[in-house]
Amino acid sequence: GNSVTQMEGPVTLSEEAFLTINCTYTATGYPSLFWYVQYPGEGLQLLLKATKADDKGSNKGFEATYRKETTSFHLEKGSVQVSDSAVYFCALSRSGGGADGLTFGKGTHLIIQP
Amino acid sequence: KAGVTQTPRYLIKTRGQQVTLSCSPISGHRSVSWYQQTPGQGLQFLFEYFSETQRNKGNFPGRFSGRQFSNSRSEMNVSTLELGDSALYLCASTLAGFAGANVLTFGAGSRLTVL
Repeated sequence: GNSVTQMEGPVTLSEEAFLTINCTYTATGYPSLFWYVQYPGEGLQLLLKATKADDKGSNKGFEATYRKETTSFHLEKGSVQVSDSAVYFCALSRSGGGADGLTFGKGTHLIIQP
Repeated sequence: KAGVTQTPRYLIKTRGQQVTLSCSPISGHRSVSWYQQTPGQGLQFLFEYFSETQRNKGNFPGRFSGRQFSNSRSEMNVSTLELGDSALYLCASTLAGFAGANVLTFGAGSRLTVL
């Protein structure tokens, strides 16, 4: 079945540091890939998405490229801020929709220190 | 426009009781999905409703059920509560059917504690 693997953390960085959160997946076909972010006490918000190989999703300075050859969708940001502290989830949906909803990774807790 | 609204936000129940959680999707959204979030298992898909019909269901026991009304509002019910049902229950809505590129908009969740 489908699965998503990501580093769980916590990942602690200083403000303005470079961020990479690794995400790899297992799926048949051509899934769509997502990064969601969850701030304390809130639900999940879509951060970015990519629907086909080599697509790059970007939003708020975050980027991720859909790499089918390495089945990866790593999240990057050049300079993090304290306000980026949150839990980040990598997710996939089966191509063409599916009977099993979104498949999420376990989440990566990111802590940015001033 | 208003986001996805879930009620209640917090609730405490005891083992053996049942609970009903409510979700009002974004206006115009016809698909509602439910997810359970726990520290151990992470986010797991419960079920999805579209036009009052359950289209997809995750791997949960029959104690977990749901329904959707004609105005797209949805409820989920958990009967005979167990300690392991303590979790954050998240509802998400989307415009049309759940397809690869459709974006889910999540509510803030209902946090259930079972004592």
